[in-house]
Parts: sequence; C-alpha cells; structure tokens
Amino acid sequence: KAGVTQTPRYLIKTRGQQVTLSCSPISGHRSVSWYQQTPGQGLQFLFEYFSETQRNKGNFPGRFSGRQFSNSRSEMNVSTLELGDSALYLCASSLGAVGGLSSYEQYFGPGTRLTVT
Amino acid sequence: DAKTTQPTSMDCAEGRAANLPCNHSTISGNEYVYWYRQIHSQGPQYIIHGLKNNETNEMASLIITEDRKSSTLILPHATLRDTAVYYCIVRVSLEMDSNYQLIWGAGTKLIIKP
Repeated sequence: KAGVTQTPRYLIKTRGQQVTLSCSPISGHRSVSWYQQTPGQGLQFLFEYFSETQRNKGNFPGRFSGRQFSNSRSEMNVSTLELGDSALYLCASSLGAVGGLSSYEQYFGPGTRLTVT
Repeated sequence: DAKTTQPTSMDCAEGRAANLPCNHSTISGNEYVYWYRQIHSQGPQYIIHGLKNNETNEMASLIITEDRKSSTLILPHATLRDTAVYYCIVRVSLEMDSNYQLIWGAGTKLIIKP
C-alpha cells in the first residue's frame, strides 16, 4: 500500500498570504488528522476529519481551517500567515472507525515544511 | 498540558535492550497509551499501543504497570536505526461524545551508540 503523501514538501510564503496544503491518506483510511510541529511547541493537534466532517479540533485560531473530500483526501488552509506559522505540518491517516479505539493507529506523512518570511 | 512525563534523553548500546519509561499518573480507565517515534526529518511512526495488558509486536514490547500510572517501551535489540525521538502519548477523551485527541509531549531522544 502506498503511504500517506503530502504536497508540497516545502513552501515559502510571506506574511499576510494564505496557503493550502494537501494530504492523501492511505487507501481505505477515512480519518485524516493534521498537526503542527515546531521546535518550541512540539507536535500540536490541529484538527481531524472523518467522512468529510470535522470530528475533533485543537486550540488553534480560526485562520487554520481544513476540509476533507469524498475520496478522503484532505486540505488544510492557513490564511493571513504570521511568522509564527513557520513549522512542519504533518498529516496522519487512520481507519478512524467510530468507537474503534484501536483503529486510532495513525500513519504519518513526511510533512510540509512551511517557512513564512 | 501533556499528560505524560518522559526523560529528555537516553543512551543505549547497540544490540542491547532499550527501555524507555513513561509516567502517566493521571490516566483514566478508558485511555490508551500509545508510543510513536520520529526519526530526524521524517513523520512520526506508530510503534505500539495498549490499555492495561502488556503488548508485543514485531517492533517492541509495551509493559504497563498494574496501576496504569506508568509504562515502559522495550526495544529488545536496539540498532543504530532506532535512534529517534520516542513519544509516549495517552489518548485523551474530550468532553463530548466520542471525540479523542492525542496530546504529544516532548518525547525522549534515544541515541543508540555503536
């Protein structure tokens, strides 16, 4: 099976711009979660989508948004970029069956390295 | 705040067993313990998870104490490729229905030495 893919791998944007990142989960996985990783804050949960609906949300401002398509592919968008948004953005997919605790085993993509200047 | 406490770093000799401890003293009865690792410049990799029984798979063993307040990840024969940051995570149950979230701590940087 192909793993989780994320595009682009690297991105440079300037303050005030907006950016869209893409994630393709493992075939058959219906849950996609997004994380932000920075040296100072570590891995922080952004949100999770399951069957095109946001099922969980972390503590990030509304500038961070996402969506999931019927084929389970997901995008996240960050508007009005700030310098502090520079980070590695990781996507993880899982089976995500409702109530299936053990199905929360997540498989991560390589990440998108976003630099805001 | 992270619900787990791990040592910042550890060393282990190649070929020996690496034992990584984790404290999760506030864990609830229905919260699982997960272990992931992250090799430099890659996304985290799932290793193992457990609820209260010890678990073993092809990568590692997970030993959870009877009171569930701590656990140990064991890599039985560490290799240089096991050098990574190891994260111990509890699956936190949020307020409503079945929402869950993984809270990641700083992890343990494990260095395998030849």
